[in-house]
Amino acid sequence: LAKTTQPISMDSYEGQEVNITCSHNNIATNDYITWYQQFPSQGPRFIIQGYKTKVTNEVASLFIPADRKSSTLSLPRVSLSDTAVYYCLVGPYNQGGKLIFGQGTELSVKP
Amino acid sequence: KAGVTQTPRYLIKTRGQQVTLSCSPISGHRSVSWYQQTPGQGLQFLFEYFSETQRNKGNFPGRFSGRQFSNSRSEMNVSTLELGDSALYLCASAPEEALNTEAFFGQGTRLTVV
Repeated sequence: LAKTTQPISMDSYEGQEVNITCSHNNIATNDYITWYQQFPSQGPRFIIQGYKTKVTNEVASLFIPADRKSSTLSLPRVSLSDTAVYYCLVGPYNQGGKLIFGQGTELSVKP
Repeated sequence: KAGVTQTPRYLIKTRGQQVTLSCSPISGHRSVSWYQQTPGQGLQFLFEYFSETQRNKGNFPGRFSGRQFSNSRSEMNVSTLELGDSALYLCASAPEEALNTEAFFGQGTRLTVV
C-alpha cells in the first residue's frame, strides 16, 4: 500500500478556504485517493474519493494532478465545526473493508 | 437507516481480564471491520469479517480475535488484557460490493484497562 505524508497540523480562521495536501509518491495504478474526517471520540467519516483530476461534492473538493503523486483536499469557507483530524488514504478500489490510516492532519479553525 | 451501533460505549477492565465488544452494522452491510485507536499508534486496522469469515487481518497478537454472526453482527474479544490495550475500539461496516473505499464507522467503545 502506498505510504502517505500529510502535515501534522494546520490552523485556519472561520470563512477561509483550507487546502490540505497529501503526498503519495508510490501510488499504484489501481489505487484511489480517499479522505476521511474524524471528530474527537467519534469514528471517522468519509468525505470524498477520487482517482484523477478533480472531484467535488457538497462538502469538499479533491484535486489530483496528472502524475497522481499528491492530492489536495479543499474545504471552502470553513467553520468552527470543521475542526477535526483529516486523513488521506490511498489504496485499491473496493477496499472499504480494510482501511489503512496514516497520521492525519489536525485542523484547528479559530473564530 | 440506523447507523453502526457499538456497545458498550465505555468499559473499564482490570489487567488480565478478557473483554467482548459488540458491533451491529448498517442493515444490509455484510463487511464489518475493527480498528484500534490510541494516541501513540493512531488508527490501526485489526481485522475484517465478511459473511462470517475473516477476510483480512492486521498485525495484532492472537489475544485479539473476532467473529461475525449470520445476521452480520460482529463481536471482538481481547483476552489477557494489558494496560496498552486501553484504546478507542471502532467498528465499521461497508456494503457487500464495497464499490468504493467508503466505510461507515460507529461511535466506538472506549476501553480502559487498569
